[in-house]
Amino acid sequence: DQQVKQNSPSLSVQEGRISILNCDYTNSMFDYFLWYKKYPAEGPTFLISISSIKDKNEDGRFTVFLNKSAKHLSLHIVPSQPGDSAVYFCAARAGSYQLPFGKGTKLSVIP
Amino acid sequence: GAVVSQHPSWVICKSGTSVKIECRSLDFQATTMFWYRQFPKQSLMLMATSNEGSKATYEQGVEKDKFLINHASLTLSTLTVTSAHPEDSSFYICRPHGYTFGSGTRLTVV
Repeated sequence: DQQVKQNSPSLSVQEGRISILNCDYTNSMFDYFLWYKKYPAEGPTFLISISSIKDKNEDGRFTVFLNKSAKHLSLHIVPSQPGDSAVYFCAARAGSYQLPFGKGTKLSVIP
Repeated sequence: GAVVSQHPSWVICKSGTSVKIECRSLDFQATTMFWYRQFPKQSLMLMATSNEGSKATYEQGVEKDKFLINHASLTLSTLTVTSAHPEDSSFYICRPHGYTFGSGTRLTVV
């Protein structure tokens, strides 16, 4: 039973355009959400997070939106750059419960 | 900032041998360590949770006798893949609770 779902395994975007990565979750107890970025043969690195008391968090080119009623969050990258090409994982947390991860979305930014 | 050191970064071993992967917290104490495995097609799976001084908790479907986890100190947790087989070839990653991920270990069993 997957509590965190990323339904798009891959996404291709032209350089300079917006990349939108989506994530859905099922557990309404989740109170904190994170996005990680992962390059091949490297561990995931933390990118951006959002608390359930917010609906938006912005950090430079990266913005995460949270829609609690729909149990949906999204990561927007604008403008997309070739260096953004990686696999992006969303994760969720309920208190200290270890966060489950989505299966990841591979983003390819085409120059 | 907190530094997580995972070693080795890659290893090739023969079928039937055992491989030990180390995860060290260099400037903090890690009471709890999570071990992940990345499967083909990119999905990241939690294998087990180790707590310093006690037995690890394994996720459903993970063989505890095959993936031995030892968390004997607050700065070191190890994952040993015993009697490795080619299907164990994967990317293994540690993460101390509350901190970032280790850099991962690419295991190839031939």
